[in-house]
Amino acid sequence: ETGVTQTPRHLVMGMTNKKSLKCEQHLGHNAMYWYKQSAKKPLELMFVYSLEERVENNSVPSRFSPECPNSSHLFLHLHTLQPEDSALYLCASSPRWAGTGELFFGEGSRLTVL
Amino acid sequence: AQSVTQLGSHVSVSEGALVLLRCNYSSSVPPYLFWYVQYPNQGLQLLLKYTTGATLVKGINGFEAEFKKSETSFHLTKPSAHMSDAAEYFCAVRTINNAGNMLTFGGGTRLMVKP
Repeated sequence: ETGVTQTPRHLVMGMTNKKSLKCEQHLGHNAMYWYKQSAKKPLELMFVYSLEERVENNSVPSRFSPECPNSSHLFLHLHTLQPEDSALYLCASSPRWAGTGELFFGEGSRLTVL
Repeated sequence: AQSVTQLGSHVSVSEGALVLLRCNYSSSVPPYLFWYVQYPNQGLQLLLKYTTGATLVKGINGFEAEFKKSETSFHLTKPSAHMSDAAEYFCAVRTINNAGNMLTFGGGTRLMVKP
């Protein structure tokens, strides 16, 4: 139990569907992150939120839409995805400025796009 | 800018043999360094970290790593591999930018343990 919970753990969707991934952290951190992990590719940082404000967006296609309603919750809204978007999506949290920079990860959401 | 290089995307050892996973970094400031482990279909779990002080750092599951500034290295070792050590291992270095604390990850090394 890392204190970061992701749901659902597995998701299968068609290219025309709309779905959302959810992340919740119980660690009192003020920064939250979305990473994408594809087979045979390095971890890709997608979005960073700090105090509910997006502070980094690494050229992610608009079919991925993040939302951070408060410092404990982070969503990734998905629509009109492509098969190449199939991947493990990891959420993480940390203190934005304090601490060592250690990230606390959730278990991930395995997404398959048909 | 900080970067991390992990030599060898795949490493195979026999059960009971020494595990050595290599990590070299570049950093313009004194580095904070991390090793994470990822089991199949799970998130990343912290194995150990170096911030300041003793350069030999002990982590969970019998792993340890040594920070060598002169070699810009932070290699991960375990004296005797166990089947349960089979996983992917990521080395990371801390970056600070306008987004605050960030980690830059290496490409990962998949460790296979043969019976």
